Amino acid sequence: QKEVEQDPGPLSVPEGAIVSLNCTYSNSAFQYFMWYRQYSRKGPELLMYTYSSGNKEDGRFTAQVDKSSKYISLFIRDSQPSDSATYLCAPTTYNTDKLIFGTGTRLQVFP
Amino acid sequence: KAGVTQTPRYLIKTRGQQVTLSCSPISGHRSVSWYQQTPGQGLQFLFEYFSETQRNKGNFPGRFSGRQFSNSRSEMNVSTLELGDSALYLCASSLGTADNSPLHFGNGTRLTVT
Repeated sequence: QKEVEQDPGPLSVPEGAIVSLNCTYSNSAFQYFMWYRQYSRKGPELLMYTYSSGNKEDGRFTAQVDKSSKYISLFIRDSQPSDSATYLCAPTTYNTDKLIFGTGTRLQVFP
Repeated sequence: KAGVTQTPRYLIKTRGQQVTLSCSPISGHRSVSWYQQTPGQGLQFLFEYFSETQRNKGNFPGRFSGRQFSNSRSEMNVSTLELGDSALYLCASSLGTADNSPLHFGNGTRLTVT
């Protein structure tokens, strides 16, 4: 079993839809939960992160962590074509320089 | 502030050759990490350097090595290239001195081994 599992997609949605991206993990020591976004031919960029369980909102994006079930979610409201990218989850312990990434979910938002 | 810069952007090499990739971190960042990204395996951690010392290492063979200079710039070397080394190699920098110091990635070097 991989430490971090993520549905590779692609996930195709119409503009304005609510998108739910999910990851599961196996290591209960993970404390920080990061989401990166990667556009084609670019490096990943940090979208948002949370510490421990709970929700965090940033504009149209909400990150949710349920440590009891080892489940991480990223919700995108009012999705836009510019959100079309690959979304990578990366839960980690205190050592945020050594990240274990999910394989990424490719999202396509069509007009 | 300038981002993480990786050179070259593209490389084509032949099996058995060696290659050196370069990374310039964000000014003030002392930690540099390297990742390999392939369609099958996704992003995998190679190693991390902090103040010229390797601080963390992933599960890659000894053909993969790196170093960091006093100005925090880093190089990664792959010797005796194999076809399976074809990948996007990403460098990331961070402050490296506190928990939750986020990684900032460059746009990578695309290595093709023929």
